[in-house]
Amino acid sequence: DAGVIQSPRHEVTEMGQEVTLRCKPISGHNSLFWYRQTMMRGLELLIYFNNNVPIDDSGMPEDRFSAKMPNASFSTLKIQPSEPRDSAVYFCASSLAQGYNEQFFGPGTRLTVL
Amino acid sequence: AQSVTQPDIHITVSEGASLELRCNYSYGATPYLFWYVQSPGQGLQLLLKYFSGDTLVQGIKGFEAEFKRSQSSFNLRKPSVHWSDAAEYFCAVGGMDTGRRALTFGSGTRLQVQP
Repeated sequence: DAGVIQSPRHEVTEMGQEVTLRCKPISGHNSLFWYRQTMMRGLELLIYFNNNVPIDDSGMPEDRFSAKMPNASFSTLKIQPSEPRDSAVYFCASSLAQGYNEQFFGPGTRLTVL
Repeated sequence: AQSVTQPDIHITVSEGASLELRCNYSYGATPYLFWYVQSPGQGLQLLLKYFSGDTLVQGIKGFEAEFKRSQSSFNLRKPSVHWSDAAEYFCAVGGMDTGRRALTFGSGTRLQVQP
């Protein structure tokens, strides 16, 4: 298995631009998580899907952030408009929804907003 | 609310020395506990996990952790550290219920290994 796939690996954009991060979970996994890692706040959950349905989006910072999971094999995290404080590493993780919830992490997307 | 505390931000040990990284958690139900390792510029790799049963769990790369319910702790240990163990280590807690599956992470402990 290829593991969790994220794209792009690096993104540099200017303030005000739209940014879309992509994630392909491990095949067969039906829970998907988006986390953000910053020096100030560490690793924090943004949103979590179960069977393509958002279960907990309490970590989404504000309306500029949105996430979708149109099918079991693809999810996007969009920031519009982006701001310099959004600069961070964004991780996607997936797991099985049943039983133990061991999460497998992707390599992350390093976002820099100038 | 659930939380994880890793009191040591940075630890330096000599290669070959033993290691213990501390983790304390707060969780309102039966916790599922994890240790992840992150090398610079990399994603998170699971070292080990505790769900139930034997409170001493073995993981990859020679690591082990012990769950102590009375102390709300889940400390990570390794008897002899290798230079390749230099990385950042995260303790995390999660649950089995649908609403609790997301992990809450500690702030991490950065391990430096001296030759």
